[in-house]
Amino acid sequence: NAGVTQTPKFQVLKTGQSMTLQCAQDMNHNSMYWYRQDPGMGLRLIYYSASEGTTDKGEVPNGYNVSRLNKREFSLRLESAAPSQTSVYFCASSEKLTGGAFFGQGTRLTVV
Amino acid sequence: QKEVEQDPGPLSVPEGAIVSLNCTYSNSAFQYFMWYRQYSRKGPELLMYTYSSGNKEDGRFTAQVDKSSKYISLFIRDSQPSDSATYLCATLILTGGGNKLTFGTGTQLKVEL
Repeated sequence: NAGVTQTPKFQVLKTGQSMTLQCAQDMNHNSMYWYRQDPGMGLRLIYYSASEGTTDKGEVPNGYNVSRLNKREFSLRLESAAPSQTSVYFCASSEKLTGGAFFGQGTRLTVV
Repeated sequence: QKEVEQDPGPLSVPEGAIVSLNCTYSNSAFQYFMWYRQYSRKGPELLMYTYSSGNKEDGRFTAQVDKSSKYISLFIRDSQPSDSATYLCATLILTGGGNKLTFGTGTQLKVEL
């Protein structure tokens, strides 16, 4: 049982480049989330999807877009990467909004 | 002021010690409380999940919630070197627009032989 799978695990981008972070879960969870984790800032919610077909902004959505492709997959897109987006990105899922979230292993992104 | 405050540590204890990790929160509307453990260069994993005030025990771990003082704690008994990790508290509130899961910044714990 893979749980939550994120790709890629590492990425280096140049300022202005775009990329999509992929996330898939095999637990049949309804809700999915994207977080970023920075030293001293903890985990901050970028976007979440309460259920298939819906997405909502979190605490730090600027510079990002998301797509809930189906119940399993939730992608995060950086249209024009900036050095401030250098971070570790985590995807998570939960059975319902009141449930504990299960996290992927993270994507380490560096924007130079 | 952050909605969830957590001492970043690091906290260093000898093997076998009882560890106490704490968080305070500011929003009395928070409804659910969780503790996550995060090993270096890994994703957080859910340890404990509670809804009401009081204690919840799972093996060597006890989660405690005091809603009157907005204080949540995690106790680890007979701590082991394998418990060395960062521990994050989290709170959840259901809003009209969905849910809001807010994390503390994490406390780094080191259990030494």
